Amino acid sequence: GQNIDQPTEMTATEGAIVQINCTYQTSGFNGLFWYQQHAGEAPTFLSYNVLDGLEEKGRFSSFLSRSKGYSYLLLKELQMKDSASYLCAVRDVVVTGGGNKLTFGTGTQLKVEL
Amino acid sequence: GAVVSQHPSWVICKSGTSVKIECRSLDFQATTMFWYRQFPKQSLMLMATSNEGSKATYEQGVEKDKFLINHASLTLSTLTVTSAHPEDSSFYICSARDTIGGEQYFGPGTRLTVT
Repeated sequence: GQNIDQPTEMTATEGAIVQINCTYQTSGFNGLFWYQQHAGEAPTFLSYNVLDGLEEKGRFSSFLSRSKGYSYLLLKELQMKDSASYLCAVRDVVVTGGGNKLTFGTGTQLKVEL
Repeated sequence: GAVVSQHPSWVICKSGTSVKIECRSLDFQATTMFWYRQFPKQSLMLMATSNEGSKATYEQGVEKDKFLINHASLTLSTLTVTSAHPEDSSFYICSARDTIGGEQYFGPGTRLTVT
């Protein structure tokens, strides 16, 4: 099974940097994803890590340490539109059922203020 | 990029009736699709994994007779909520996994309200 933890809420200032942490415990690991979700909308893909280290994509970076069961999402130069829920999701290896499953954390609601 | 559509985007139904939600991958084939449910201010909870041409795999606690899943083609999966109750009111999101590339794409979601 999966156990994924994230802070419930965070607040940051426009233009600043914020780091959202995610810890996980899993019986099988096949990658970690970060998604952004605005209220009433489906999640949109931000990043994917399967090996240890940092993946950078514009203002967003994501880090993974498999030995520690830990990841973080780093958002730079925060904008008001970055106010959203950020979901950490772990993909496991499913032998039966035909495909890998994504299990989501509870999500971190980020509020960007002026 | 790859697009997944859901229909309807929102639906209101009366308690005791059934509602069907469609999920389509528009420009790729998806052997596997996933159905999630999300209650307000909560995260996505996987309900079932839908496999083309075979039975769906349900997560623990999800009633397979209540949430009927059919994945009849490589681009279409349907979720039917049978004998809906107000507690079934939720945001239902499907996700399709590209058979070739393995990427998983999300649909826009369907908001179900049972009165």
